[in-house]
Amino acid sequence: TQLLEQSPQFLSIQEGENLTVYCNSSSVFSSLQWYRQEPGEGPVLLVTVVTGGEVKKLKRLTFQFGDARKDSSLHITAAQPGDTGLYLCAGRHAGGTSYGKLTFGQGTILTVHP
Amino acid sequence: DVKVTQSSRYLVKRTGEKVFLECVQDMDHENMFWYRQDPGLGLRLIYFSYDVKMKEKGDIPEGYSVSREKKERFSLILESASTNQTSMYLCASSGRVGNEKLFFGSGTQLSVL
Repeated sequence: TQLLEQSPQFLSIQEGENLTVYCNSSSVFSSLQWYRQEPGEGPVLLVTVVTGGEVKKLKRLTFQFGDARKDSSLHITAAQPGDTGLYLCAGRHAGGTSYGKLTFGQGTILTVHP
Repeated sequence: DVKVTQSSRYLVKRTGEKVFLECVQDMDHENMFWYRQDPGLGLRLIYFSYDVKMKEKGDIPEGYSVSREKKERFSLILESASTNQTSMYLCASSGRVGNEKLFFGSGTQLSVL
């Protein structure tokens, strides 16, 4: 299985701080999705990026797809306790034996303290 | 609201038991998926289905089977449960092939003793 490395695995910050979560791979992806999962619930899609270099904003969240479509980042500005949760990236493979397959990163557990 | 419903939130089973996990979606989606989620490993695909009576192995199919007799229902079967199958199981569905959004159920936390 081709891996999607997500970092950091854990992030504990104070309200108002900024943070960035990274997803990296040696594989090229046709698209990359970011999901957020709260305790007791399934993941919910936040955004899909499809073009190399693409930047999408969702309120205080900024998502970027790398130029080579091998990596992505999620930046949160002025984090709030409501941002607490598990963040997952998922890349859809663009070629090779894994063509079309969706691979998930290991996840980042974010805790924002009031 | 669109919904993916998993029949049980928590299950406790004994080693060797046959276990059925049920999933129903009300969105008329063609694609359905079963994942397991373990800390530090993300989501790993067990099986998926693109149509009724059709199934494909994912990355970790060993010890599992599936059934899709109706479009809205996708069942995961553990033929003989083992302790290493203790995990959170997530069902998901999606529409057309492509960059489709996955809709997840709330998960079933299975403990095999």
